[in-house]
Amino acid sequence: GESVGLHLPTLSVQEGDNSIINCAYSNSASDYFIWYKQESGKGPQFIIDIRSNMDKRQGQRVTVLLNKTVKHLSLQIAATQPGDSAVYFCAENRGNTPLVFGKGTRLSVIA
Amino acid sequence: EADIYQTPRYLVIGTGKKITLECSQTMGHDKMYWYQQDPGMELHLIHYSYGVNSTEKGDLSSESTVSRIRTEHFPLTLESARPSHTSQYLCASSESGTGTKAFFGQGTRLTVV
Repeated sequence: GESVGLHLPTLSVQEGDNSIINCAYSNSASDYFIWYKQESGKGPQFIIDIRSNMDKRQGQRVTVLLNKTVKHLSLQIAATQPGDSAVYFCAENRGNTPLVFGKGTRLSVIA
Repeated sequence: EADIYQTPRYLVIGTGKKITLECSQTMGHDKMYWYQQDPGMELHLIHYSYGVNSTEKGDLSSESTVSRIRTEHFPLTLESARPSHTSQYLCASSESGTGTKAFFGQGTRLTVV
């Protein structure tokens, strides 16, 4: 069936380095993708989104890349800070359907 | 910050009790959702609503029920709580249309003993 998943469950990064979190999706009809950050004890918080007619979108310290050919999505965090430590989820939205979430990657920032 | 609120934040309740988890949003969003999340795991959709008097079941089978009598309110009810219902329940809302981001509440952590 269709699914959204992540390549790695955990990622440890030195403070100040760049982080790259990956996500794979299986449905070529997916047209909208979102990255969320979830800190312990909190609900997911929106980071950045991208539509399928784009291949790159930048925000403040974050960049999302979409490769439709291989159905791959990535989140890049520049100059990773301790406050970036959290679980990151990708999610996809096909048309008017609810979001489908991947398994999540835990990012740990080493000071 | 998104204006979506869930109460209670934490709930410990005995088996067999009826409970209602509250969710309210002040953004006027037509779409609302309930997701279930075990610690460190992905979110699974259990119910959603695209407007007043409209509710649908999600991908994850659930013994809970929902209602949508007012746009801003989307409560979730368990008629008879069981230990297998122990989990975190997350409510979210989004604007109408395609490709709209969802805003989440803080969640209710439910423990059934």
